[in-house]
Amino acid sequence: GDSVTQMEGPVTLSEEAFLTINCTYTATGYPSLFWYVQYPGEGLQLLLKATKADDKGSNKGFEATYRKETTSFHLEKGSVQVSDSAVYFCALSPRANNLFFGTGTRLTVIP
Amino acid sequence: DAGITQSPRYKITETGRQVTLMCHQTWSHSYMFWYRQDLGHGLRLIYYSAAADITDKGEVPDGYVVSRSKTENFPLTLESATRSQTSVYFCASSEDSGVRNQPQHFGDGTRLSIL
Repeated sequence: GDSVTQMEGPVTLSEEAFLTINCTYTATGYPSLFWYVQYPGEGLQLLLKATKADDKGSNKGFEATYRKETTSFHLEKGSVQVSDSAVYFCALSPRANNLFFGTGTRLTVIP
Repeated sequence: DAGITQSPRYKITETGRQVTLMCHQTWSHSYMFWYRQDLGHGLRLIYYSAAADITDKGEVPDGYVVSRSKTENFPLTLESATRSQTSVYFCASSEDSGVRNQPQHFGDGTRLSIL
């Protein structure tokens, strides 16, 4: 079935460090892929998305590339800030109006 | 732009009680969803609705009831609450574009504790 496996946390980084959060997926066909972010006490917000192989989604300095050959969609940021501390969810949509989430990765950035 | 609002934000109740969580969206989105968020599980879909009067089960529907008499509202009812239903509940909505890349928009959640 369709599923997402995401890197377990928590992840703790110093400010300005490089971030990678791994995400791999299992799906039939050609799903769309998403990263959502959840700040403390809030709901999930869309961070970025990619809809086909080799697409790169980007937003707020975060990037992720849809790699069909490795079924991956790893999230990266070159220089994290304290304000990036949050929980990050990888998700896939194999069909319209259908979304499967990973378990989430908590990121803490320390000054 | 009110977006999507959930109420209450926090609720404590007892085993066996009925409790209803409310969700209201102002975008006139066709689709609405209910998820529960538990440590180690991420978000799991409870029920969803494609339009008023159309609902369907998600991954974990047992013990829950939904209705959608109006497009903007999608209440979730726990008919007889159990401790295993202690969780954070999120409502979401999305447009029905018929494509896979349509994102969902989330409310801020309801933290439900069942004693």
